[in-house]
Amino acid sequence: DVKVTQSSRYLVKRTGEKVFLECVQDMDHENMFWYRQDPGLGLRLIYFSYDVKMKEKGDIPEGYSVSREKKERFSLILESASTNQTSMYLCASSVSGSTGELFFGEGSRLTVL
Amino acid sequence: DQQVKQNSPSLSVQEGRISILNCDYTNSMFDYFLWYKKYPAEGPTFLISISSIKDKNEDGRFTVFLNKSAKHLSLHIVPSQPGDSAVYFCAARKLGNTPLVFGKGTRLSVIA
Repeated sequence: DVKVTQSSRYLVKRTGEKVFLECVQDMDHENMFWYRQDPGLGLRLIYFSYDVKMKEKGDIPEGYSVSREKKERFSLILESASTNQTSMYLCASSVSGSTGELFFGEGSRLTVL
Repeated sequence: DQQVKQNSPSLSVQEGRISILNCDYTNSMFDYFLWYKKYPAEGPTFLISISSIKDKNEDGRFTVFLNKSAKHLSLHIVPSQPGDSAVYFCAARKLGNTPLVFGKGTRLSVIA
């Protein structure tokens, strides 16, 4: 069974803290993505990566960075967390050149106090 | 500029009846459309898709219709079941290895 695993389901952090969200996929997919979901705003793309050490900005990259050192792992970093980054974060992966179908992880609910 | 629009934030349907979820798009370069279903505290899961060269795709209780001239697609669920209660996202893809573009979602409530 294919799987995208996000390291933490629930996190509570304080304003100004550095936050790491880890994502691992076991499907040998080339493409990996980070989205955030907020009520009324849908799924918004933060960053994506088509290959190891490559990254592309999505629609809302401000305040975030990413790292892809290995094909199976894609990390989202909040350098200095702020309250407006309280959200559900979703990692996904897909096969390059496919229909674009995404396989999502279960999500990480981040609360910044 | 929203390229994929789901204009109904919520929909309530009686169990056993048909649920129709709508999606409009503006970019004529989209060549593939997908529907995802999301339960609270879980990641979205793929439901059904359609290529732009087709006008209908059916999978069990789920059917997606595409009207290219109107840039409109719809998801029909027949019969609706309480377990279908979730948020449904419409997504579209441009030709090439580009990220999906998502709508804002429609929350479906199926009432027993």
